[in-house]
Amino acid sequence: GAVVSQHPSWVICKSGTSVKIECRSLDFQATTMFWYRQFPKQSLMLMATSNEGSKATYEQGVEKDKFLINHASLTLSTLTVTSAHPEDSSFYICSASSVTHSNQPQHFGDGTRLSIL
Amino acid sequence: KQEVTQIPAALSVPEGENLVLNCSFTDSAIYNLQWFRQDPGKGLTSLLLIQSSQREQTSGRLNASLDKSSGRSTLYIAASQPGDSATYLCAVRRETSYDKVIFGPGTSLSVIP
Repeated sequence: GAVVSQHPSWVICKSGTSVKIECRSLDFQATTMFWYRQFPKQSLMLMATSNEGSKATYEQGVEKDKFLINHASLTLSTLTVTSAHPEDSSFYICSASSVTHSNQPQHFGDGTRLSIL
Repeated sequence: KQEVTQIPAALSVPEGENLVLNCSFTDSAIYNLQWFRQDPGKGLTSLLLIQSSQREQTSGRLNASLDKSSGRSTLYIAASQPGDSATYLCAVRRETSYDKVIFGPGTSLSVIP
């Protein structure tokens, strides 16, 4: 069964709306969660790394104020796309990681398809 | 900076053929390497995980090898089936165990019945 749950799986909303995506680790405490973005026919690009209880580390070119990440507990991280515009339409996917599970495959959520009209 | 490449970008083969997908990485200081499958519009399915100390892993018709020193991994698929059609991604994890994973661009595989 899934060890990482991502919600919602699909969002369609108007330009200017803020959208929150949740990522939950189900079977373990995730000390670190990662957020990726995937444009059509492209690979996954890391957006940011979030550690529980501290500020997220963003990759170069990713706007911190645009993509707000909160990792308030060891089982939940959220990504909020603020004032979303059509160019933010993409497939967003999270993964969770733990020091105590370092030898296990990294597990990913099923992704969230975001479409901004 | 770690960079991951995959060859070929796309592959089309007749059903039943054996095939090899290639993955290369520039920094050999990796913790592990993982192969994933992604179906169109879907998330990732983990196929095989190879730790840096291992040479290969097998699961059913899949076999993945790792040559850390040369920065290469291969995914071998035996007796391909139409259901194998998908994009295959390799991803490397840096030496710190819980560090981020860097993905290759993927190989799009089509198995023709």
